[in-house]
Amino acid sequence: NAGVTQTPKFQVLKTGQSMTLQCAQDMNHNSMYWYRQDPGMGLRLIYYSASEGTTDKGEVPNGYNVSRLNKREFSLRLESAAPSQTSVYFCASSFGLAVVTDTQYFGPGTRLTVL
Amino acid sequence: DQQVKQNSPSLSVQEGRISILNCDYTNSMFDYFLWYKKYPAEGPTFLISISSIKDKNEDGRFTVFLNKSAKHLSLHIVPSQPGDSAVYFCAASWETSYDKVIFGPGTSLSVIP
Repeated sequence: NAGVTQTPKFQVLKTGQSMTLQCAQDMNHNSMYWYRQDPGMGLRLIYYSASEGTTDKGEVPNGYNVSRLNKREFSLRLESAAPSQTSVYFCASSFGLAVVTDTQYFGPGTRLTVL
Repeated sequence: DQQVKQNSPSLSVQEGRISILNCDYTNSMFDYFLWYKKYPAEGPTFLISISSIKDKNEDGRFTVFLNKSAKHLSLHIVPSQPGDSAVYFCAASWETSYDKVIFGPGTSLSVIP
């Protein structure tokens, strides 16, 4: 039981390059999330998917796109990377959106540097 | 402007003593609060939570206290152990939905053997 896995663990991009961060969960969860964490700041929600087939914007969606490929997988795409997108990216999943009843599980993170 | 603040970036405590991590919030609409723990190179893990209708919640060595009038909550760890050394994030939610959760910047706790 791997939980939430993310690939890659590290990535360096040049400004303007594109890439896709992959996330998969094996807990049969309905809801999945992408966060970014910057120094001195808390995790900020980029996009989330409440259930398979749906995606919604979070607090900081600009510059990103997501795809809920199936129930297990939720990818985050940077079409044209900018230095401001240098961050650590975390994927998470939960059975549902309800904070009170559904525990959220996080992946180990992807450290992205954009030069 | 940060809605969830953890004003102490770091804290050092001797093993066996009490660790107190503080969190302040500005939005009176928050009705559910969570603490997460994060080790280096790992993702955060859920630790303990509290509803705004309570003022205390305990889980083993971990207790969270909520003072709604002061918009303040604290996490107490007693006794502190070296394995508790990690970054602790306070988070607050309104509508008790994960898309409405705001995280604080975290406090790095070091428990010294």
